[in-house]
Amino acid sequence: GAGVSQTPSNKVTEKGKYVELRCDPISGHTALYWYRQSLGQGPEFLIYFQGTGAADDSGLPNDRFFAVRPEGSVSTLKIQRTERGDSAVYLCASSLRGWTDTQYFGPGTRLTVL
Amino acid sequence: DQQVKQNSPSLSVQEGRISILNCDYTNSMFDYFLWYKKYPAEGPTFLISISSIKDKNEDGRFTVFLNKSAKHLSLHIVPSQPGDSAVYFCAASANNDMRFGAGTRLTVKP
Repeated sequence: GAGVSQTPSNKVTEKGKYVELRCDPISGHTALYWYRQSLGQGPEFLIYFQGTGAADDSGLPNDRFFAVRPEGSVSTLKIQRTERGDSAVYLCASSLRGWTDTQYFGPGTRLTVL
Repeated sequence: DQQVKQNSPSLSVQEGRISILNCDYTNSMFDYFLWYKKYPAEGPTFLISISSIKDKNEDGRFTVFLNKSAKHLSLHIVPSQPGDSAVYFCAASANNDMRFGAGTRLTVKP
């Protein structure tokens, strides 16, 4: 079956611009996670959705970052007024029910802010 | 604060030998530990896990050992194969939170 997909695979933008990153989880997975991976680091948790609601957004670095999952499937990570420090690979993962289930990761979106 | 540490950024082993990847953690609340493998341009792939109630879990060529008193876990791959060459991330989980180490790049030479 299809795994987690993310679009675009690469995004180059200018400082100050707005970007949206999309995640399509595995069908039937109710839990969805966003992570950010900077160069030379492991994935860093951003936000966790259970169904349509953000169950835990404690990892979002500031209010420029926002994520939605309106129908409990596809999720969009939105970054306003991008800064050069936002450059990273943004990873999405999904799991069947929640944190105790194995997380399956997408290939990530590489965001470069010039 | 780095709660999960992989102190070796890289490791090189000969095909057929054992690969040992190490991971240390600081938070005693972690109760579930995982290893992920990552190839270039792909997301991390789950490899093996262990609950804090166990000290060993084996799956084919992969074995994870957990030493709770030392807050240390390791992944053993034996025999190592060239296809095992990848970046390996250790992760620790507790209370709806998961933290990753920075990864170890394993190279298995033919």
